[in-house]
Amino acid sequence: GAVVSQHPSRVICKSGTSVKIECRSLDFQATTMFWYRQFPKQSLMLMATSNEGSKATYEQGVEKDKFLINHASLTLSTLTVTSAHPEDSSFYICSARDRNNSYNEQFFGPGTRLTVL
Amino acid sequence: RKEVEQDPGPFNVPEGATVAFNCTYSNSASQSFFWYRQDCRKEPKLLMSVYSSGNEDGRFTAQLNRASQYISLLIRDSKLSDSATYLCVVNSLDRGSTLGRLYFGRGTQLTVWP
Repeated sequence: GAVVSQHPSRVICKSGTSVKIECRSLDFQATTMFWYRQFPKQSLMLMATSNEGSKATYEQGVEKDKFLINHASLTLSTLTVTSAHPEDSSFYICSARDRNNSYNEQFFGPGTRLTVL
Repeated sequence: RKEVEQDPGPFNVPEGATVAFNCTYSNSASQSFFWYRQDCRKEPKLLMSVYSSGNEDGRFTAQLNRASQYISLLIRDSKLSDSATYLCVVNSLDRGSTLGRLYFGRGTQLTVWP
């Protein structure tokens, strides 16, 4: 099956620092990747849609200057949480859609657990 | 109104039981439907896609009723390893989009006990 990797799996950082998370599709090409955030006992919330070679589309309420997304190739998207604060602590998950999958299935990375002190 | 609604449970069933989860979606133009499972502190994993004619994968059967905008998942002969949160997921087109995005239900928590 399609494999998506995410790195790092866990980050603990001080308030004010920036954190970069990588999402890679390992065995397929992903023209579109998605970034989600999940708080405890809540559903996944889409933050932004990342299209290869173009600007990301952010959901309402998500600050594009705080959550920088880059999708430079068909297999890599990055999310940078700039000047992180404790309220940014969450489980960040990326997913990728196989460009050849006609049913639009998405495959998820293992997630990055961010803790901001 | 939420895009996808599902009963959060929890459902607590003994091994071997049959359990059914239901889900409704609000966008009649939704195109693709899925059930994902999510274990505690892990990412969602695709369990099965849901097709119009209904489909089965081993002990799991999924049904779709487009007229009622209703999706179901039936698990037969429950195993301890089935304990997880089951997410009803719908792919819908946003305005201007050609491929759409996923909308997630809150998830239904299942615990299978020995």
